Amino acid sequence: AQSVTQPDIHITVSEGASLELRCNYSYGATPYLFWYVQSPGQGLQLLLKYFSGDTLVQGIKGFEAEFKRSQSSFNLRKPSVHWSDAAEYFCAVGATSGTYKYIFGTGTRLKVLA
Amino acid sequence: DTEVTQTPKHLVMGMTNKKSLKCEQHMGHRAMYWYKQKAKKPPELMFVYSYEKLSINESVPSRFSPECPNSSLLNLHLHALQPEDSALYLCASSQTPGQGAYEQYFGPGTRLTVT
Repeated sequence: AQSVTQPDIHITVSEGASLELRCNYSYGATPYLFWYVQSPGQGLQLLLKYFSGDTLVQGIKGFEAEFKRSQSSFNLRKPSVHWSDAAEYFCAVGATSGTYKYIFGTGTRLKVLA
Repeated sequence: DTEVTQTPKHLVMGMTNKKSLKCEQHMGHRAMYWYKQKAKKPPELMFVYSYEKLSINESVPSRFSPECPNSSLLNLHLHALQPEDSALYLCASSQTPGQGAYEQYFGPGTRLTVT
C-alpha cells in the first residue's frame, strides 16, 4: 500500500540556521511528489513538486527538495530559515497512474527561534 | 493567478441549521475537491468533482452534500451536523489527472464550529 512518512513531528531551529525536513514514501513506481506549507488557520500553499527529470527541484520562498529513488525520499531543505517559515509542512504523494488522490504525510511542525 | 477563494472564513452553526460553504477558482481547472482537516492532522479527502460531475465520494455522511453548479464554483451544503464535524474545510482545484497527477491549489479554508 502507498504511504508517506514524515518522521519528525516537531523541529525547532534558530533563525538563520539551515533546515532539512524528511519525507519517505512507499510506492511501486516513481510517484509525483509535493511539499506544501500551512500557516495556522490557513490553507495549504504549494512549495514545490517533482514529476520527473532533474532530481533537485527548486521551489518558492528559497526552498528546494531532492528526490532520491534509492532511499525513497524527498527531503525539503532551506539554507537559512526565517522566522516567517514557522508553520506546518506536509509532504504528499500522487500516484502516476492518474489519480485525484494525494497521500499526505502526517506533517512536521517547524518552530523558529529568534 | 493561482487563487482559490472560499467563503465564509468562519462559520458557527447549530446542529439543526442548514448552511453552505462556497469555493471559487478561475484557473480553468476542471477538477475540484473538498477536504476536511482536524487540528494537527493532514487534510482528509471528502469529495472530488471532475468536469462538474461527482467523481469521488469518500464515504462521507449524507449530512454533507456537495454541488458543482459550473466549472468555477463548488459548494458544500451542510445540514444536521454534529459537533465532531467542527473542522477546517478546505477547497482545492487542479487540472484533471489524465495520465498523471497534477498539483492541487488550495483555498484558505472555512473554519466551521458546530454547537
